[in-house]
Amino acid sequence: GAVVSQHPSWVICKSGTSVKIECRSLDFQATTMFWYRQFPKQSLMLMATSNEGSKATYEQGVEKDKFLINHASLTLSTLTVTSAHPEDSSFYICSARPVDSSYEQYFGPGTRLTVT
Amino acid sequence: AQKITQTQPGMFVQEKEAVTLDCTYDTSDPSYGLFWYKQPSSGEMIFLIYQGSYDQQNATEGRYSLNFQKARKSANLVISASQLGDSAMYFCAITSPAGQNFVFGPGTRLSVLP
Repeated sequence: GAVVSQHPSWVICKSGTSVKIECRSLDFQATTMFWYRQFPKQSLMLMATSNEGSKATYEQGVEKDKFLINHASLTLSTLTVTSAHPEDSSFYICSARPVDSSYEQYFGPGTRLTVT
Repeated sequence: AQKITQTQPGMFVQEKEAVTLDCTYDTSDPSYGLFWYKQPSSGEMIFLIYQGSYDQQNATEGRYSLNFQKARKSANLVISASQLGDSAMYFCAITSPAGQNFVFGPGTRLSVLP
């Protein structure tokens, strides 16, 4: 089956530092990857859509200069949280849509970010 | 815009009994897909079942079945013979070729009682 990995699975960082989260499709190619954020006891909210070779599309209210997304290849997208603050502490989940897929998406296991 | 409504914040079910988790949706896309995911405390999103908008039959996957009523715009999940390991958050989601991303409902927390 299709597998998506995320690294790291959890990270603790100090306020003001930057953190990079990787999302990889291990056995398929994905032209589109999605980044979601989930606060405790809430649902997943889409942050941005990442397309290989082009700029990411951000949802309303998501600061593109704070959440930098790079989709350098058909199997890798990265999310960098710049100048992290405690309110950025959350669970970040990526998903990847295989090339030629209409509906299928595969989720990564998520990254739990804690900013102290 | 697409929207998912899950009106049950929490549900309890006795082990070995069946339970229905409600989901209604709103979309203007003629073609769409409906999904159910399970999220245990570990956080991973586990795919359960999928229903395409043009599928004539209700989807089934083992103990999971989807009661799809297109006219009512509902896609309820039925779990038969509940197990203790079914205790988790359950999310209903919708996507379309046009929208691409998933839109999730607020979720239902299911607790299976021994």
